[in-house]
Amino acid sequence: SQELEQSPQSLIVQEGKNLTINCTSSKTLYGLYWYKQKYGEGLIFLMMLQKGGEEKSHEKITAKLDEKKQQSSLHITASQPSHAGIYLCGADYNNNDMRFGAGTRLTVKP
Amino acid sequence: ETGVTQSPTHLIKTRGQQVTLRCSSQSGHNTVSWYQQALGQGPQFIFQYYREEENGRGNFPPRFSGLQFPNYSSELNVNALELDDSALYLCASSVRAAGNTIYFGEGSWLTVV
Repeated sequence: SQELEQSPQSLIVQEGKNLTINCTSSKTLYGLYWYKQKYGEGLIFLMMLQKGGEEKSHEKITAKLDEKKQQSSLHITASQPSHAGIYLCGADYNNNDMRFGAGTRLTVKP
Repeated sequence: ETGVTQSPTHLIKTRGQQVTLRCSSQSGHNTVSWYQQALGQGPQFIFQYYREEENGRGNFPPRFSGLQFPNYSSELNVNALELDDSALYLCASSVRAAGNTIYFGEGSWLTVV
């Protein structure tokens, strides 16, 4: 069963376009992590959000956590082919483990 | 570069065999977790070790077992392999404390035939 729902499952965008990926939790999060994964490889840490209403940015990627700490969004501005991959949100429910969504596969067309 | 190293990177086993996967954690990390990721899915939590003791387990049968060593390296053992065990196995290490980043290795691809 998925405690975390990600949407969309896949996304194809033209280079230069903006995009948003959403992650919704069935219960309040202690922390929310965003990772990027190239097919068949390990997870690359992007950002971690803990406080309600928190927003973080790194280069052209911005992640937000809502006030209730049950929803997060990842926004990419002016997408590039290097942004292509699978984006995973991971939830820390303070159970000493991380639960993941199913992932969003992003394709950026040149 | 996450500082978490896994071996082997790829292996093929026959149904019914046993496999051991290894993980070398980032220096100073006392917590290691293992995940199974099937194609097209997110990683599924198998179990976590903290200071050499199992500290939480996901919905996996007892034939999935693990060890954490004093130097915080870790093993995942799977007995009586089944075809559905074919997946990418990921190791993640961290310092156990609120808000600390969790670092993942590149994973071990296991194919069961």
